[in-house]
Amino acid sequence: SAVISQKPSRDICQRGTSLTIQCQVDSQVTMMFWYRQQPGQSLTLIATANQGSEATYESGFVIDKFPISRPNLTFSTLTVSNMSPEDSSIYLCSVAGTSGSSYEQYFGPGTRLTVT
Amino acid sequence: GESVGLHLPTLSVQEGDNSIINCAYSNSASDYFIWYKQESGKGPQFIIDIRSNMDKRQGQRVTVLLNKTVKHLSLQIAATQPGDSAVYFCAENQVDSSYKLIFGSGTRLLVRP
Repeated sequence: SAVISQKPSRDICQRGTSLTIQCQVDSQVTMMFWYRQQPGQSLTLIATANQGSEATYESGFVIDKFPISRPNLTFSTLTVSNMSPEDSSIYLCSVAGTSGSSYEQYFGPGTRLTVT
Repeated sequence: GESVGLHLPTLSVQEGDNSIINCAYSNSASDYFIWYKQESGKGPQFIIDIRSNMDKRQGQRVTVLLNKTVKHLSLQIAATQPGDSAVYFCAENQVDSSYKLIFGSGTRLLVRP
């Protein structure tokens, strides 16, 4: 499986500010995704990060609030814009399509965001 | 670390016993399923997967059973150990359309020493 790292691992931010989360994979992957896990909840897909084109967002998530970049096959960023306390969550990136594993999906360690 | 799944259903088992964690999935068109383990303060860890053309798959100490008729998935852990204590999520996917995963609500497994 791929080794996935996220930066920062955690942060405390003031409302109204923005935070950019980075996801780095140690090998080229076909698919990269961003999920949100609110306190005590399961995971919800925010968007699919597409290499070289705009991300594909799920219902309830918009580009203005969660802009995503994916400049290459090993790196992606998620920005949480104009934050409010309701954005306090764990944000996770995941990858699929690593060599020899077409459908298996692996997750990074997550970024724990607290908005005050 | 921070707690995950503060209000999740909980399964408590004695160390050494077998554990069975159940999951009802939502979409009859789903054809690929994954079980994840999430420890406090960590991201979900891939445990085992199964395609819809199978009804059983075994790994090391774990077995996944799939019943497509009733849209039910289960994870069996043999000889449960304290290190198995975590929140377990099932996830479903339609591989022909995308790799997007839909996650179940999760079950917390507590192993009593």
